[in-house]
Amino acid sequence: SQQGEEDPQALSIQEGENATMNCSYKTSINNLQWYRQNSGRGLVHLILIRSNEREKHSGRLRVTLDTSKKSSSLLITASRAADTASYFCATDQLFGNEKLTFGTGTRLTIIP
Amino acid sequence: NAGVTQTPKFQVLKTGQSMTLQCAQDMNHEYMSWYRQDPGMGLRLIHYSVGAGITDQGEVPNGYNVSRSTTEDFPLRLLSAAPSQTSVYFCASSYSNTGTGSRGYTFGSGTRLTVV
Repeated sequence: SQQGEEDPQALSIQEGENATMNCSYKTSINNLQWYRQNSGRGLVHLILIRSNEREKHSGRLRVTLDTSKKSSSLLITASRAADTASYFCATDQLFGNEKLTFGTGTRLTIIP
Repeated sequence: NAGVTQTPKFQVLKTGQSMTLQCAQDMNHEYMSWYRQDPGMGLRLIHYSVGAGITDQGEVPNGYNVSRSTTEDFPLRLLSAAPSQTSVYFCASSYSNTGTGSRGYTFGSGTRLTVV
């Protein structure tokens, strides 16, 4: 069963705008990661945020984590056409089986 | 540094045939895993290994076998292919089970399998 659910399932924005996608999960976690998947390719690790962190930045990426709401958001600022991809959150459960569980993903399309 | 290499990239099988999907990594990662990706269902874990000689089942292991005789290789065997196994298969590796303390999981580029 899926631990993470991304929202929205699909998002289209104009190039230059900011893109925000959300991830909700069901059980307490150790950490949460975000991955990007370009069409027909494998997933690429973007960023990891630990359960005791609330916000993390990496270049144009900003990730927040709210453990009380069991949710995370990924913000991509100043979007580019190359950001067109699917984005997945992945969690490992506290006291769980120490494996990553992936959500179903958000399909992001950047319109030039 | 090739990362994670999967072969073949595409494969068509007839129902009942068997085959092996290959996965190799050159990063000396202890942890390796196989996922399948189906539309609308995200990635589901098939089997994983925490080191040479150690394997375990994931969420959807039925119809698949794995072995880990070396740190580098983690092949996935389909015993008797069924149309329900039509999917894209990804191999991933990491220094740790959960990808923490490193750069997460490193994924191969996938094998697109069609069973007719």
